[in-house]
Amino acid sequence: DAMVIQNPRYQVTQFGKPVTLSCSQTLNHNVMYWYQQKSSQAPKLLFHYYDKDFNNEADTPDNFQSRRPNTSFCFLDIRSPGLGDAAMYLCATKGTNPNNEQFFGPGTRLTVL
Amino acid sequence: AQKVTQAQTEISVVEKEDVTLDCVYETRDTTYYLFWYKQPPSGELVFLIRRNSFDEQNEISGRYSWNFQKSTSSFNFTITASQVVDSAVYFCAYFAGGTSYGKLTFGQGTILTVHP
Repeated sequence: DAMVIQNPRYQVTQFGKPVTLSCSQTLNHNVMYWYQQKSSQAPKLLFHYYDKDFNNEADTPDNFQSRRPNTSFCFLDIRSPGLGDAAMYLCATKGTNPNNEQFFGPGTRLTVL
Repeated sequence: AQKVTQAQTEISVVEKEDVTLDCVYETRDTTYYLFWYKQPPSGELVFLIRRNSFDEQNEISGRYSWNFQKSTSSFNFTITASQVVDSAVYFCAYFAGGTSYGKLTFGQGTILTVHP
């Protein structure tokens, strides 16, 4: 029944060691988003895809990259994680109707040692 | 730019009390959408309600109700007879109309704690 799936739910990495978080969806939505949510803060959009078109937020660090090989999957790559990148990472999807809500996955909590 | 303000950082109530979470937004758009999401301790953001800028009709869903007033740019959320399971962080969010994609602008969130 899960519609937006994120793996793993918890990820521990070392300072500077590349890490990849994954997201998959069964909704066949055109739009997929990656948000970063730090403790006690609101989610902050990093980037999103409309189909294969990538849209980066202006303040997203270069350290964060994304790939979307097909409609169902989207990956978040952190090339050199710093201690400040420890956060919850939320994936969301949305249909193309402006009236649609975004459906969120359960998130991946990233710890950087 | 759009802005969403949830003035209440934390609210604490005792079970069965009614509680209202405030949300105020700023925009120059004529078409937009407002949302409320619930984030329980597990972390997932759960969609609660959507309102578009042309629909000021209030809505009730079980113990939840929403009051949308364009005149005051507010979209407040009331939980009647609160329960412990309502304890969560609640986010109000804004989405600009006119595009089929684009980002949600979130308020800062309100932490609701319902005590037995």
